[in-house]
Amino acid sequence: GAVVSQHPSRVICKSGTSVKIECRSLDFQATTMFWYRQFPKQSLMLMATSNEGSKATYEQGVEKDKFLINHASLTLSTLTVTSAHPEDSSFYICSAARTGGYTEAFFGQGTRLTVV
Amino acid sequence: KQEVTQIPAALSVPEGENLVLNCSFTDSAIYNLQWFRQDPGKGLTSLLLIQSSQREQTSGRLNASLDKSSGRSTLYIAASQPGDSATYLCAVRVGAGGTSYGKLTFGQGTILTVHP
Repeated sequence: GAVVSQHPSRVICKSGTSVKIECRSLDFQATTMFWYRQFPKQSLMLMATSNEGSKATYEQGVEKDKFLINHASLTLSTLTVTSAHPEDSSFYICSAARTGGYTEAFFGQGTRLTVV
Repeated sequence: KQEVTQIPAALSVPEGENLVLNCSFTDSAIYNLQWFRQDPGKGLTSLLLIQSSQREQTSGRLNASLDKSSGRSTLYIAASQPGDSATYLCAVRVGAGGTSYGKLTFGQGTILTVHP
């Protein structure tokens, strides 16, 4: 099966600092990666879609300057939460798809971000 | 705007029971539908993927059906076990084309508890 690795699984940071989360497809090339946010006891909300080598497409209401996404290679996408605030505390999950995003999506383990 | 609803929100059953989880979506123009399992604090595990042209998919004790025209899908779990306890999420993938890049729209999930 396809494996998506997300790192770190947990991170605690101080308010005002930036945090980078990595998402790697270990055994396949992911032309499209998706970043989701999940609040407690709620479902996943898509934040942005990234295609390798191009700018990410952000969903309405998501601040692109706050949530920087880079998809520099076919196996790695990163999400950087800049100038984090307590309200950014959440569970962030990435997913990857082999081609164009329409095939089966495989998800990482998620990152629990706590901003203090 | 696509909306996905899952019923029931929570379900508690004794071990051994067969059970059905329901998922409905408002826009029938989907590319495919995917069922996931999420354990507390973890990422998503893909269970079944049904293409829009398919009626059902089976994997072990799991069977998922799709009635695209009525906007419904069901996940059938046979002979439930305590290890099946988790949140089950249904997600639909929009049709090809445009800037959607095959993004998933998730339901709120069904929290399943199987007690011994």
